[in-house]
Amino acid sequence: DTGVSQNPRHKITKRGQNVTFRCDPISEHNRLYWYRQTLGQGPEFLTYFQNEAQLEKSRLLSDRFSAERPKGSFSTLEIQRTEQGDSAMYLCASSLGGGESYEQYFGPGTRLTVT
Amino acid sequence: KQEVTQIPAALSVPEGENLVLNCSFTDSAIYNLQWFRQDPGKGLTSLLLIQSSQREQTSGRLNASLDKSSGRSTLYIAASQPGDSATYLCAVRAAGAGSYQLTFGKGTKLSVIP
Repeated sequence: DTGVSQNPRHKITKRGQNVTFRCDPISEHNRLYWYRQTLGQGPEFLTYFQNEAQLEKSRLLSDRFSAERPKGSFSTLEIQRTEQGDSAMYLCASSLGGGESYEQYFGPGTRLTVT
Repeated sequence: KQEVTQIPAALSVPEGENLVLNCSFTDSAIYNLQWFRQDPGKGLTSLLLIQSSQREQTSGRLNASLDKSSGRSTLYIAASQPGDSATYLCAVRAAGAGSYQLTFGKGTKLSVIP
């Protein structure tokens, strides 16, 4: 399968713990995006990478959140000192380019539950 | 700030019926619009992308139209099947340098009854 992959698929953690998610984009895609989706809502943008450079961040990305894409391939999203409000589906997407003809392709998501 | 609205929030139709899902957006300065399908607890599957200069796109039984000036898009599904049951999301990407994020609606939950 050459689609976007995310690990883990599910994560249950206690409030205050740190968690890290991984995203592997489609191999030739140089653009990578993170979104967060809560129940009954559409996904909300968190951050965007072009190769290894983080070029856009949402105000939703508080200082407890950090994302990296060290070699321009896979990306990690870390949440420190998790809160119950962080419970959501975290979605990763990638695209081949940034022009108007380029679709964003999404992975299966990581569902985070903070207890 | 771009806002995307999808109406209706839920729709139930008998198998075989043709149907239309609606999406509206407040800022007509967009690069493109994408329609996605999401099954319960799963990620998003891209269905169609319409560039700002295009009026419609077709894929199989799906046809999406775009009227940028009025801030509207529709997704037409022909001859609906139970396997079409899912939540359908539309998303727009704003025009302008340096903005790559998609802004999503809340989706329309479609149920196709056998």
